Amino acid sequence: EAQVTQNPRYLITVTGKKLTVTCSQNMNHEYMSWYRQDPGLGLRQIYYSMNVEVTDKGDVPEGYKVSRKEKRNFPLILESPSPNQTSLYFCASSGPRAYNSPLHFGNGTRLTVT
Amino acid sequence: DAKTTQPTSMDCAEGRAANLPCNHSTISGNEYVYWYRQIHSQGPQYIIHGLKNNETNEMASLIITEDRKSSTLILPHATLRDTAVYYCIVRNNQGGKLIFGQGTELSVKP
Repeated sequence: EAQVTQNPRYLITVTGKKLTVTCSQNMNHEYMSWYRQDPGLGLRQIYYSMNVEVTDKGDVPEGYKVSRKEKRNFPLILESPSPNQTSLYFCASSGPRAYNSPLHFGNGTRLTVT
Repeated sequence: DAKTTQPTSMDCAEGRAANLPCNHSTISGNEYVYWYRQIHSQGPQYIIHGLKNNETNEMASLIITEDRKSSTLILPHATLRDTAVYYCIVRNNQGGKLIFGQGTELSVKP
């Protein structure tokens, strides 16, 4: 089954403790991206990757890192999490061409930083 | 990438057509209009997309104005399960940056 898998689904951590949220897709998609969702603010893009070793900032990249060493994986790294990064996070992937490239989203990771 | 503007919320009676508008007045010639919806806090789900022609699939219809500055998503016979937040975005072949905005919260009422 074609899918985007995020792990973990829920994560509670403390300020400053480095964490990684994993994202993996099995559709051989070139494009992958990360979003955070906060009440009243909709979905905001954090980072995106057009292909392996190619990443770029979205609208809210501060406090986050990403890497794209292989096509299927696009982990989101919080080197020193802070309470304002408490949010619902989504990973998504698609083919590279807009004409036939719907985004496929993961089920989300709910992060709480205390 | 162009930004989109949508009403914050809309109501629709069950069984009636739901017409959700989206304004994308700064859209470029190579940008496609995509619609997604999000039920509760699940991952957003793709609905439909188009460039300039009207499109229809098993979920919905997409009507794009001739000048392409706005579009309407039509759910022909809304059900309670269509209650969700609907997002309209534009996307081109070159850019990876996507702006979702806050979407339209559609409430389908019995």
